[in-house]
Amino acid sequence: EDQVTQSPEALRLQEGESSSLNCSYTVSGLRGLFWYRQDPGKGPEFLFTLYSAGEEKEKERLKATLTKKESFLHITAPKPEDSATYLCAVSSSGSARQLTFGSGTQLTVLP
Amino acid sequence: DAGVIQSPRHEVTEMGQEVTLRCKPISGHNSLFWYRQTMMRGLELLIYFNNNVPIDDSGMPEDRFSAKMPNASFSTLKIQPSEPRDSAVYFCASSLETDNEQFFGPGTRLTVL
Repeated sequence: EDQVTQSPEALRLQEGESSSLNCSYTVSGLRGLFWYRQDPGKGPEFLFTLYSAGEEKEKERLKATLTKKESFLHITAPKPEDSATYLCAVSSSGSARQLTFGSGTQLTVLP
Repeated sequence: DAGVIQSPRHEVTEMGQEVTLRCKPISGHNSLFWYRQTMMRGLELLIYFNNNVPIDDSGMPEDRFSAKMPNASFSTLKIQPSEPRDSAVYFCASSLETDNEQFFGPGTRLTVL
């Protein structure tokens, strides 16, 4: 069974204080690792897909990286509008090609 | 594109009543997913369809839950009879392939009294 663990559960940063969110996974053959952002009262919004170890993707202040066991979402010089819950999900060859989500990291960026 | 459309956005009902949630996927997407999100259990996949055919319904909690996809542009999730423990936010998502990135709708917040 695929497992995804995200840490920390919650993170409070000052504006401009860079940090990283962690997503550890256990799968039987990774097909893809996905990062989503979810704002209160809204559906998850797709950010990145990573397919193989060593791959990196960037979007504005966010950079996602992938190893064989975990992924990091690096947030550089965050702003208050980056406050949200960040969800990680995996798709594997052993899970009938569906996504398994982690429980998320709730990020708060203080002005 | 309007994105994934869900209705209603909020539903309040009494225990024992039938509830029907609706979803219109992004045009051209051939896979559709129904999820349930709660504080305790996070985001859980209930069922998904590929080309209008149910592929995996192992996440459906029990026989009170049923889902249909009569055509490529419409799907329903029905709960009959509803119970208070069904209270959650239900999301619909669609994708081009079953293992590509999924795009989520705004969700339906269901409250069963």
